[in-house]
Amino acid sequence: GIQVEQSPPDLILQEGANSTLRCNFSDSVNNLQWFHQNPWGQLINLFYIPSGTKQNGRLSATTVATERYSLLYISSSQTTDSGVYFCAVERYRRSGDKLTFGTGTRLAVRP
Amino acid sequence: GAVVSQHPSRVICKSGTSVKIECRSLDFQATTMFWYRQFPKQSLMLMATSNEGSKATYEQGVEKDKFLINHASLTLSTLTVTSAHPEDSSFYICSASRDRFSYEQYFGPGTRLTVT
Repeated sequence: GIQVEQSPPDLILQEGANSTLRCNFSDSVNNLQWFHQNPWGQLINLFYIPSGTKQNGRLSATTVATERYSLLYISSSQTTDSGVYFCAVERYRRSGDKLTFGTGTRLAVRP
Repeated sequence: GAVVSQHPSRVICKSGTSVKIECRSLDFQATTMFWYRQFPKQSLMLMATSNEGSKATYEQGVEKDKFLINHASLTLSTLTVTSAHPEDSSFYICSASRDRFSYEQYFGPGTRLTVT
């Protein structure tokens, strides 16, 4: 199956700092999503981004599909950004293929 | 748009009993719903995929007789953990896609199951 690697595994930031999270994947994909899992376990959709660049407020993401990686940028971090960030990818919606999650980046933002 | 709810959010049950978890798409029709399991400090693992009106497809290693999935309508899927044991304690999360051609998945808030 497809392999998904995220880095760094853990990250501690001071409030106001910027950060970049990386997701590498081993095959071409039709779906790539970034999620934020808050301390209560809720997965919040950040971006659906199988290719290209998107921005939403302080967050932006870029996927370079030909080189099989995606980056999530967090600017001016806030304590509410704390939690786990997951990248998940899927090749084709057919029998045997599924949304595969990376191991996540655990982010702690200190006030 | 694209809100998915789960009920209950938390449940504690005794070993040997069965527990039903509901997953609803509130503002869209979901032809496909997914059930995931997450252990503490780990990633999400897909358990099964359910399509409305047909049998669920289970991932390798997931016991279909233990984790019964029903997707009777376009807005509701249920997961029943039968004869629960302490090792079934986990965080169960459902997700839904808008249609068969849409890849993006929207996730429910999860259900924390504790079996005593």
